[in-house]
Amino acid sequence: AAGVIQSPRHLIKEKRETATLKCYPIPRHDTVYWYQQGPGQDPQFLISFYEKMQSDKGSIPDRFSAQQFSDYHSELNMSSLELGDSALYFCASSLSQGTHSPLHFGNGTRLTVT
Amino acid sequence: KNEVEQSPQNLTAQEGEFITINCSYSVGISALHWLQQHPGGGIVSLFMLSSGKKKHGRLIATINIQEKHSSLHITASHPRDSAVYICAVLGYFGGATNKLIFGTGTLLAVQP
Repeated sequence: AAGVIQSPRHLIKEKRETATLKCYPIPRHDTVYWYQQGPGQDPQFLISFYEKMQSDKGSIPDRFSAQQFSDYHSELNMSSLELGDSALYFCASSLSQGTHSPLHFGNGTRLTVT
Repeated sequence: KNEVEQSPQNLTAQEGEFITINCSYSVGISALHWLQQHPGGGIVSLFMLSSGKKKHGRLIATINIQEKHSSLHITASHPRDSAVYICAVLGYFGGATNKLIFGTGTLLAVQP
């Protein structure tokens, strides 16, 4: 069965550069969540989308933006990268924001900022 | 105080032992997830619970909504079970969506 696909798996950028992370949800899933997990840290919620509209916002820096496209894939755009942005970024998808819809996670994109 | 707390934080077991990881939460929830994360790896959802008990292979998850408590049990543990196990709750925060709040995780090491 198709899973949540994230690309790239690994990304190395320098300070002040930009990065774009992509998340392809499971087919027919209309809700995408983005999380950031720093080294040794708990995952932190960044932002979520439902039906191509932003549905909730967490601790996402102003330097970051995200959107969900008509095919439901989502992109996280990160600008003016800082060393502290080095983390594992993973997304999850579900069918609607329904309370009983299982959440499926991608394998994550490991971003290293040097 | 964290909204989702797990215990123990670290657990070392011998192969074959029965393992229990506990999760307590303080917020109203619609569902609870047990997740597994291998070192440097992505997250795999093991269970999603809103009531009762679920079993998958050697894994069993239970939840008591009234007591706001859930447990993950691993029977006949194996070294390949070594990973971080995370309890995450889908909570209500007054908005239109539910947010997933993660517990601090339990690092399990199963020794042969």
